[in-house]
Amino acid sequence: QVQLVQSGAEVKKPGASVKVSCKASGYTFTSYGISWVRQAPGQGLEWMGWISAYNGNTNYAQKLQGRVTMTTDTSTSTAYMELRSLRSDDTAVYYCAREISKLGIEDYWGQGTLVTVSS
Amino acid sequence: AIRMTQSPSSFSASTGDRVTITCRASQGISSYLAWYQQKPGKAPKLLIYAASTLQSGVPSRFSGSGSGTDFTLTISCLQSEDFATYYCQQYYSYPRTFGQGTKLEIK
Repeated sequence: QVQLVQSGAEVKKPGASVKVSCKASGYTFTSYGISWVRQAPGQGLEWMGWISAYNGNTNYAQKLQGRVTMTTDTSTSTAYMELRSLRSDDTAVYYCAREISKLGIEDYWGQGTLVTVSS
Repeated sequence: AIRMTQSPSSFSASTGDRVTITCRASQGISSYLAWYQQKPGKAPKLLIYAASTLQSGVPSRFSGSGSGTDFTLTISCLQSEDFATYYCQQYYSYPRTFGQGTKLEIK
């Protein structure tokens, strides 16, 4: 069965970086993309970006350009999202999701990773 | 970026009710519209894509319609497990954007 298992919760200080992992199983990793979506406490869903697991192409939300990097390791079927220069408003649950490239939709989601930014 | 606006933001209903949530795009998105359900502390769950295609395993009481700029999600007979927050999302263009969510509560 398709599973996306994310790394554990993180607490970071302002200005630091965080790298969240998302390990995929149950499907051919390179046949799909991975999207990242975050959700601040009590707020809605915010799309952060997407990476093709096939060729590494990316598309990032403009507001995060320069601070975010998405990568994949096809040898371990793992996707990564690194966010730098963290601010308090980056405190959120971060989700990875499998994207069906032909359709452009996210059909399976990870369990979420809480990143808390606090001094 | 395409702005997605849902209405209402929240409302109360009873088990067995028929409910409709609307989603409006700031520009035409053809049928590139998905609906997600999210329960507290859980990841979103895909319900409908291509505006009206039910995702595998989703009960048939859920249905979607619309194209262009106006879309609806209908739950024909509310069950207790349907009380959750619902989001629409356009995937017509990047950046993908979500509506602000509709919280469905028990009356």
